[in-house]
Amino acid sequence: DAGVTQSPTHLIKTRGQHVTLRCSPISGHKSVSWYQQVLGQGPQFIFQYYEKEERGRGNFPDRFSARQFPNYSSELNVNALLLGDSALYLCASFSLDSGSYTQYFGPGTRLTVL
Amino acid sequence: GNSVTQMEGPVTLSEEAFLTINCTYTATGYPSLFWYVQYPGEGLQLLLKATKADDKGSNKGFEATYRKETTSFHLEKGSVQVSDSAVYFCALSGANFGNEKLTFGTGTRLTIIP
Repeated sequence: DAGVTQSPTHLIKTRGQHVTLRCSPISGHKSVSWYQQVLGQGPQFIFQYYEKEERGRGNFPDRFSARQFPNYSSELNVNALLLGDSALYLCASFSLDSGSYTQYFGPGTRLTVL
Repeated sequence: GNSVTQMEGPVTLSEEAFLTINCTYTATGYPSLFWYVQYPGEGLQLLLKATKADDKGSNKGFEATYRKETTSFHLEKGSVQVSDSAVYFCALSGANFGNEKLTFGTGTRLTIIP
């Protein structure tokens, strides 16, 4: 089975621009989470979605938004990009139905803001 | 709130040496505990997990035991290989519905010398 997929792999933007990152979960998984990993640090939780509803939000500004689609794929949007938004953005999926809350990560999208 | 404290790196070992990476946590209730590994330029891969006290997670020769009395989940391997060179993250999540977000440590960079 395919794992979590993310697109694009790399992205270069300039300050003030907008970016959309995409994620497809493992087949059968209904929940998607987004994390930001700044170089040299551990991932930080941004959002979690389950059945198209936001179930959790980390300590990130309103410039960050996300949504989940009927097929359980997800988009992360970041407006008015700042240099500090440069990071690896990780998407993870897991199924809440199996009784396990183990999250499986995609390869990430590396965003560089110039 | 939840937090994870990891042994600071970098850690450099010779091939076939014994590895220990310390991890302690602070959490309410009974979290699930995880070790993830990140190879250069890649996303996170689940290495092992434990969901209740005294559980031992194991995979690819790595082991970690969930110690509630010491709030620890130390990662060990008896004989490391060059291919184990990577960054290792300890993480926890709530074990109940609605509390699944992962809280990560800062990561420990491991380099194995032939």
